[in-house]
Amino acid sequence: SYVLTQPPSVSVAPGKTARITCGGNNIGSKSVHWYQQKPGQAPVLVIYYDSDRPSGIPERFSGSNSGNTATLTISRVEAGDEADYYCQVWDSSSDHAVFGGGTQLTVL
Amino acid sequence: EVQLVESGGGLVKPGGSLRLSCAASGFTFSSYSMNWVRQAPGKGLEWVSSISSSSSYIYYADSVKGRFTISRDNAKNSLYLQMNSLRAEDTAVYYCARDAEGQWLVLDYWGQGTLVTVSS
Repeated sequence: SYVLTQPPSVSVAPGKTARITCGGNNIGSKSVHWYQQKPGQAPVLVIYYDSDRPSGIPERFSGSNSGNTATLTISRVEAGDEADYYCQVWDSSSDHAVFGGGTQLTVL
Repeated sequence: EVQLVESGGGLVKPGGSLRLSCAASGFTFSSYSMNWVRQAPGKGLEWVSSISSSSSYIYYADSVKGRFTISRDNAKNSLYLQMNSLRAEDTAVYYCARDAEGQWLVLDYWGQGTLVTVSS
Protein backbone atom coordinates (compact mmCIF):
# COMPACT_ATOMS: atom_id res chain seq x y z
CA SER A 1 0.00 0.00 0.00
CA TYR A 2 1.06 3.57 -0.61
CA VAL A 3 2.85 5.28 2.26
CA LEU A 4 3.24 8.98 3.01
CA THR A 5 6.04 10.01 5.35
CA GLN A 6 6.04 13.27 7.31
CA PRO A 7 8.47 14.52 9.96
CA PRO A 8 6.83 14.23 13.39
CA SER A 9 7.64 17.80 14.30
CA VAL A 10 8.82 21.10 12.89
CA SER A 11 9.70 24.19 14.89
CA VAL A 12 9.90 27.73 13.62
CA ALA A 13 10.21 31.21 15.07
CA PRO A 14 7.42 33.73 14.51
CA GLY A 15 7.79 35.60 11.25
CA LYS A 16 9.97 32.92 9.69
CA THR A 17 9.11 30.32 7.07
CA ALA A 18 8.02 26.78 7.95
CA ARG A 19 8.36 23.94 5.47
CA ILE A 20 6.61 20.63 6.11
CA THR A 21 7.46 17.76 3.82
CA CYS A 22 5.47 14.76 2.73
CA GLY A 23 7.41 11.94 1.12
CA GLY A 24 6.02 9.23 -1.10
CA ASN A 25 7.10 7.10 -4.04
CA ASN A 26 6.71 9.31 -7.12
CA ILE A 27 4.30 11.53 -5.21
CA GLY A 28 4.82 14.15 -7.89
CA SER A 29 2.48 12.13 -10.10
CA LYS A 30 -0.32 12.40 -7.56
CA SER A 31 -2.45 15.27 -6.29
CA VAL A 32 -1.60 16.19 -2.73
CA HIS A 33 -3.93 17.87 -0.26
CA TRP A 34 -3.00 19.36 3.11
CA TYR A 35 -5.06 19.72 6.28
CA GLN A 36 -4.51 21.75 9.43
CA GLN A 37 -5.82 20.44 12.74
CA LYS A 38 -5.74 22.40 15.96
CA PRO A 39 -6.23 20.68 19.33
CA GLY A 40 -9.80 19.58 19.93
CA GLN A 41 -10.94 20.71 16.48
CA ALA A 42 -11.78 19.05 13.19
CA PRO A 43 -9.25 19.27 10.35
CA VAL A 44 -9.38 22.16 7.91
CA LEU A 45 -8.33 21.96 4.26
CA VAL A 46 -5.52 24.46 3.64
CA ILE A 47 -4.05 23.34 0.28
CA TYR A 48 -5.53 21.13 -2.43
CA TYR A 49 -4.22 19.86 -5.75
CA ASP A 50 -0.65 20.48 -4.62
CA SER A 51 -0.82 24.26 -4.51
CA ASP A 52 -4.37 25.64 -4.62
CA ARG A 53 -5.77 27.49 -1.62
CA PRO A 54 -9.42 27.29 -0.56
CA SER A 55 -11.15 30.58 -0.03
CA GLY A 56 -10.38 32.01 3.39
CA ILE A 57 -6.93 30.45 3.66
CA PRO A 58 -4.19 33.11 3.87
CA GLU A 59 -1.75 33.53 1.00
CA ARG A 60 0.98 32.70 3.49
CA PHE A 61 0.08 29.05 2.90
CA SER A 62 1.48 27.52 -0.29
CA GLY A 63 2.33 24.11 -1.61
CA SER A 64 4.51 22.34 -4.13
CA ASN A 65 4.94 18.78 -5.34
CA SER A 66 7.68 17.18 -7.38
CA GLY A 67 9.52 13.91 -7.55
CA ASN A 68 9.19 12.07 -4.26
CA THR A 69 8.37 15.04 -2.04
CA ALA A 70 5.47 17.40 -1.57
CA THR A 71 5.96 20.48 0.59
CA LEU A 72 3.64 22.73 2.52
CA THR A 73 5.20 26.15 3.06
CA ILE A 74 3.92 28.62 5.62
CA SER A 75 5.46 32.07 5.28
CA ARG A 76 5.58 34.70 8.02
CA VAL A 77 4.51 32.13 10.59
CA GLU A 78 2.17 33.29 13.32
CA ALA A 79 1.38 31.81 16.72
CA GLY A 80 -2.05 30.85 15.41
CA ASP A 81 -0.46 28.52 12.83
CA GLU A 82 0.60 26.15 15.59
CA ALA A 83 -1.20 22.90 14.76
CA ASP A 84 -0.85 19.42 13.33
CA TYR A 85 -0.59 19.25 9.55
CA TYR A 86 -1.48 16.22 7.43
CA CYS A 87 -0.85 15.49 3.78
CA GLN A 88 -3.24 13.23 1.88
CA VAL A 89 -3.51 11.61 -1.54
CA TRP A 90 -5.83 9.26 -3.38
CA ASP A 91 -3.97 6.14 -4.45
CA SER A 92 -5.75 5.05 -7.60
CA SER A 93 -3.82 1.77 -7.79
CA SER A 94 -5.48 0.57 -4.58
CA ASP A 95 -8.56 2.83 -4.54
CA HIS A 96 -7.58 4.00 -1.09
CA ALA A 97 -7.09 7.42 0.43
CA VAL A 98 -3.87 7.79 2.36
CA PHE A 99 -2.91 10.29 5.05
CA GLY A 100 0.59 11.06 6.18
CA GLY A 101 1.35 10.52 9.84
CA GLY A 102 1.09 14.22 10.57
CA THR A 103 3.55 16.94 11.55
CA GLN A 104 3.23 19.00 14.70
CA LEU A 105 4.20 22.59 13.96
CA THR A 106 5.53 24.45 16.97
CA VAL A 107 5.92 28.22 16.90
CA LEU A 108 8.78 29.09 19.21
CA GLU B 1 -23.72 27.45 5.79
CA VAL B 2 -22.46 23.92 5.34
CA GLN B 3 -23.01 21.80 8.43
CA LEU B 4 -22.14 18.19 9.11
CA VAL B 5 -23.28 16.75 12.43
CA GLU B 6 -22.27 13.27 13.46
CA SER B 7 -24.13 11.17 16.00
CA GLY B 8 -24.35 7.60 17.22
CA GLY B 9 -21.02 7.23 18.95
CA GLY B 10 -20.63 5.70 22.37
CA LEU B 11 -19.24 2.84 24.39
CA VAL B 12 -19.58 -0.65 22.92
CA LYS B 13 -18.11 -4.02 23.84
CA PRO B 14 -15.68 -5.84 21.54
CA GLY B 15 -17.61 -7.74 18.92
CA GLY B 16 -20.52 -5.34 19.16
CA SER B 17 -22.11 -3.08 16.59
CA LEU B 18 -22.80 0.62 16.25
CA ARG B 19 -24.35 2.80 13.56
CA LEU B 20 -23.02 6.30 13.03
CA SER B 21 -25.04 8.98 11.30
CA CYS B 22 -24.05 12.28 9.73
CA ALA B 23 -26.75 14.88 9.14
CA ALA B 24 -25.87 17.30 6.36
CA SER B 25 -27.30 20.75 5.72
CA GLY B 26 -26.51 23.93 3.87
CA PHE B 27 -25.72 22.27 0.52
CA THR B 28 -27.23 19.91 -2.04
CA PHE B 29 -26.25 16.67 -0.35
CA SER B 30 -27.13 14.47 -3.30
CA SER B 31 -24.51 16.19 -5.46
CA TYR B 32 -21.50 15.43 -3.28
CA SER B 33 -19.47 12.37 -2.48
CA MET B 34 -18.93 11.79 1.23
CA ASN B 35 -16.41 10.17 3.52
CA TRP B 36 -15.66 8.85 6.97
CA VAL B 37 -12.27 9.54 8.52
CA ARG B 38 -11.26 8.48 12.02
CA GLN B 39 -8.66 9.50 14.55
CA ALA B 40 -7.61 7.27 17.43
CA PRO B 41 -6.80 9.09 20.68
CA GLY B 42 -3.51 10.94 20.31
CA LYS B 43 -2.97 9.56 16.81
CA GLY B 44 -3.19 10.76 13.23
CA LEU B 45 -5.98 10.76 10.70
CA GLU B 46 -7.04 7.49 9.08
CA TRP B 47 -9.34 7.26 6.07
CA VAL B 48 -12.16 4.78 6.64
CA SER B 49 -14.58 4.83 3.71
CA SER B 50 -15.93 6.88 0.81
CA ILE B 51 -19.18 6.87 -1.14
CA SER B 52 -20.02 8.67 -4.36
CA SER B 53 -23.03 10.95 -4.69
CA SER B 54 -25.31 8.25 -6.10
CA SER B 55 -23.75 5.40 -4.11
CA SER B 56 -22.36 3.92 -7.32
CA TYR B 57 -18.81 3.89 -6.00
CA ILE B 58 -17.91 2.73 -2.51
CA TYR B 59 -14.44 2.17 -1.07
CA TYR B 60 -13.12 0.95 2.26
CA ALA B 61 -9.84 0.90 4.10
CA ASP B 62 -8.42 -2.59 4.47
CA SER B 63 -8.71 -2.29 8.25
CA VAL B 64 -12.51 -2.08 8.12
CA LYS B 65 -13.46 -3.91 4.93
CA GLY B 66 -15.95 -6.66 5.60
CA ARG B 67 -16.92 -5.19 8.98
CA PHE B 68 -18.07 -1.65 8.16
CA THR B 69 -20.70 -0.54 5.64
CA ILE B 70 -21.07 3.00 4.37
CA SER B 71 -24.40 4.16 3.00
CA ARG B 72 -26.37 7.32 2.37
CA ASP B 73 -29.96 8.47 2.06
CA ASN B 74 -30.08 11.47 -0.24
CA ALA B 75 -33.75 12.07 0.56
CA LYS B 76 -32.82 12.48 4.23
CA ASN B 77 -29.50 14.30 3.61
CA SER B 78 -27.78 11.71 5.71
CA LEU B 79 -24.64 9.60 5.64
CA TYR B 80 -24.23 6.42 7.67
CA LEU B 81 -21.56 4.03 8.84
CA GLN B 82 -22.67 0.64 10.09
CA MET B 83 -19.88 -0.82 12.20
CA ASN B 84 -19.95 -4.52 13.09
CA SER B 85 -17.50 -6.84 14.83
CA LEU B 86 -15.93 -3.87 16.57
CA ARG B 87 -12.43 -4.15 17.98
CA ALA B 88 -10.48 -2.16 20.53
CA GLU B 89 -8.44 -0.67 17.68
CA ASP B 90 -11.60 0.86 16.23
CA THR B 91 -11.70 3.26 19.18
CA ALA B 92 -11.50 6.73 17.67
CA VAL B 93 -13.26 9.96 16.89
CA TYR B 94 -15.14 9.41 13.63
CA TYR B 95 -15.47 12.39 11.32
CA CYS B 96 -17.88 12.81 8.47
CA ALA B 97 -16.31 14.84 5.66
CA ARG B 98 -17.59 16.21 2.36
CA ASP B 99 -15.71 16.12 -0.91
CA ALA B 100 -15.24 19.45 -2.66
CA GLU B 101 -17.66 19.91 -5.53
CA GLY B 102 -16.77 17.71 -8.45
CA GLN B 103 -13.66 16.43 -6.70
CA TRP B 104 -12.73 13.11 -5.18
CA LEU B 105 -11.12 12.93 -1.77
CA VAL B 106 -10.60 16.66 -1.39
CA LEU B 107 -12.23 17.06 1.99
CA ASP B 108 -13.46 20.63 2.19
CA TYR B 109 -15.88 20.39 5.11
CA TRP B 110 -15.70 18.23 8.22
CA GLY B 111 -18.05 17.58 11.09
CA GLN B 112 -16.93 17.86 14.68
CA GLY B 113 -16.76 14.11 15.10
CA THR B 114 -18.33 11.46 17.30
CA LEU B 115 -16.34 9.31 19.71
CA VAL B 116 -16.55 5.55 19.51
CA THR B 117 -15.03 3.60 22.38
CA VAL B 118 -14.69 -0.17 22.10
CA SER B 119 -13.98 -1.66 25.49
CA SER B 120 -15.19 -4.39 27.78
